[in-house]
Amino acid sequence: GQNIDQPTEMTATEGAIVQINCTYQTSGFNGLFWYQQHAGEAPTFLSYNVLDGLEEKGRFSSFLSRSKGYSYLLLKELQMKDSASYLCAVRAWDNYGQNFVFGPGTRLSVLP
Amino acid sequence: DTEVTQTPKHLVMGMTNKKSLKCEQHMGHRAMYWYKQKAKKPPELMFVYSYEKLSINESVPSRFSPECPNSSLLNLHLHALQPEDSALYLCASSQDNSLAGDRNEQFFGPGTRLTVL
Repeated sequence: GQNIDQPTEMTATEGAIVQINCTYQTSGFNGLFWYQQHAGEAPTFLSYNVLDGLEEKGRFSSFLSRSKGYSYLLLKELQMKDSASYLCAVRAWDNYGQNFVFGPGTRLSVLP
Repeated sequence: DTEVTQTPKHLVMGMTNKKSLKCEQHMGHRAMYWYKQKAKKPPELMFVYSYEKLSINESVPSRFSPECPNSSLLNLHLHALQPEDSALYLCASSQDNSLAGDRNEQFFGPGTRLTVL
C-alpha cells in the first residue's frame, strides 16, 4: 500500500512564497503529481516529477527526492486566487497495473 | 478538445433506484478513471480502465458497476446505494496507463454530485 502525508492547512500572505511538503512511502514508485483543487471544482494538474530534482513552471516549482520519499510544491508571488487545496498524488506499479493515490491535501489560504 | 465531460452535474436518488453516471472525452486517451470524493477529503480511486479493459478495481462494493463501451466513454451504474455513498464522483482520463515514466497526467471532469436519500 501507499502512505502519503501533507500538512492539513497553511496560511500565507499575498505576494509571499509558500512551500507545501509531501512525504510518501510506496513500492513501485512511478511518478509524483501535484494538483490544485478549488472548492467545488475538479482537480487540475500543476506539476510532475519522476526523477530527483526541481521542475519549474512559472510561479510554481516542484521538487522530488526519491531516496527520502519527499516532495514539495513551491508557490511564488502568491495571489488571492491561489487559495485552494493542493493535492500530492503518487503513481506506483502494483500487481494490476499503475495505481494512483492522492494525499490528504493541504488547504492553502492566501490573505491580503 | 481538451475536456472531460460528465453528466449529470447533480443527481438525487433513493436507495432503491438505478441510475448511471456518464463520462466522455475526445482527447484520444486510452485510460479512464472513476474517483469518489467526500467533502474535505482527497479523491479516492475506484476503477481504472486501460484500453477499454478494467485494470484496477479498488475493492469497490458491487452496487457500483463500471462500464467502458468504447475508448471515449465511461459509465458508472448505480444500484441500491446507501446514504454514505453520497459524494462527488469524478471521472478522469490520461493518455495511457501502461507506460513507465511518461507524465500521463490525468484530466478531470467537473464531477457529478450524488445525494442518496
